[in-house]
Formats: sequence, structure tokens, C-alpha cells
Amino acid sequence: DSGVTQTPKHLITATGQRVTLRCSPRSGDLSVYWYQQSLDQGLQFLIQYYNGEERAKGNILERFSAQQFPDLHSELNLSSLELGDSALYFCASSGQTGAVGGYTFGSGTRLTVV
Amino acid sequence: QQQVKQSPQSLIVQKGGIPIINCAYENTAFDYFPWYQQFPGKGPALLIAIRPDVSEKKEGRFTISFNKSAKQFSLHIMDSQPGDSATYFCAARSMSKLVFGAGTILRVKS
Repeated sequence: DSGVTQTPKHLITATGQRVTLRCSPRSGDLSVYWYQQSLDQGLQFLIQYYNGEERAKGNILERFSAQQFPDLHSELNLSSLELGDSALYFCASSGQTGAVGGYTFGSGTRLTVV
Repeated sequence: QQQVKQSPQSLIVQKGGIPIINCAYENTAFDYFPWYQQFPGKGPALLIAIRPDVSEKKEGRFTISFNKSAKQFSLHIMDSQPGDSATYFCAARSMSKLVFGAGTILRVKS
């Protein structure tokens, strides 16, 4: 157990729907990162939050949004889902803004859009 | 410039062999280079990492070699075991985010 908890582990939904993925960072970690992993794109950085504030943005679609709450858990919202959004979504956390050390990843949420 | 190029895409070695995975980058602002190991159904796990002011780092059977002038770094796995069969990702950090290579699927045959 890495200490980073992601729920749900699996999600199957239809095109056009909206889903929310949840992440609880490792105890004491202030930064949360979201990554998308698909077969043809590898691990793609989506967005980072640090202590409740957005810190960095990557290749995140406008249909996707995220937030980090006061208790430091984070949610990734995916809307108007398309077949191509099917992927593994990973959350990672780190103790600082990422300036020192690596990230700890959760086990991921496998999203299947049908 | 934000890319990290990783090779080979896949690798098969015999037990006891020394697989080598290579990565190259362009962005000189990268300041930290970790390697992650991922097993099927699991998230990537930090394996070993190096900073650009160090040319080599060893942790157990895993060694990172770093060539700053060539902007290349590599992972060597000594005495590889079937349990090392996994996907390996190199990464580089810039401005608090990690950029990952495309991954290398390693299979160690017993």
C-alpha cells in the first residue's frame, strides 16, 4: 500500500456522461498530481494542486477539471465523456511542490467509456 | 523540449542478464531524474533517482548512469530476476512536474 488512495478502482460509463475520480494523498503530503495513462500516450501529466491551489497544468482537456479540498483530498471531474477518454487515471502525491524527491502514486482508476 | 525519449520499447533478457534502458532529454532545466517500476494493475513505484550533478547511483541491483553533457541517462539492472519483469519508466522533473518516457516493457526469462 503506497499510502495514496484512489477510488473507485474501476468505472464503466457511457459516452456523454460525467464521472468523478477521488484521491486521498499520503499523510502529510500537500501536493497532488493527476496523470492519464493510455496505451498510445504513456503517462500524461494533467494537473497539480498544492495545498488547495492549482499549481501546474498539463495536457488537460477543457472537459476535465479538478480541485483539492481543505482536507487535501482531490477530485478529478471528467465530463462529456468520449470513447478516447478510456484510460487509467493515476493520482500521485508529494511532500512539497515537487522540488525535492519523487512522487508516490496510487493504484489508479481504470475508466472505460462505452 | 519537454519530452523524454526512452528506448527500447520492450526488452527480453535471460535470468541473470543485465538489461539496460536508455533515456534522453533536451531540456536543461530538468533537475531530477527518477525511474519508476510498474507492475500490471498497479501504479508506478519509485525505484531509484539521480540528480544531474552525480554521474552514477546504485541501490541494490539497480544502477543509474547519468551523462549530463550528452543529456542521457540509463538504468541497469544487475543479476535480473523473473520478478523484475515489469514496465519501467524514466522521468525528468521541471517546475515541480514530472515528464515521463514512454516506458519499456521488460521480461526476464527464467
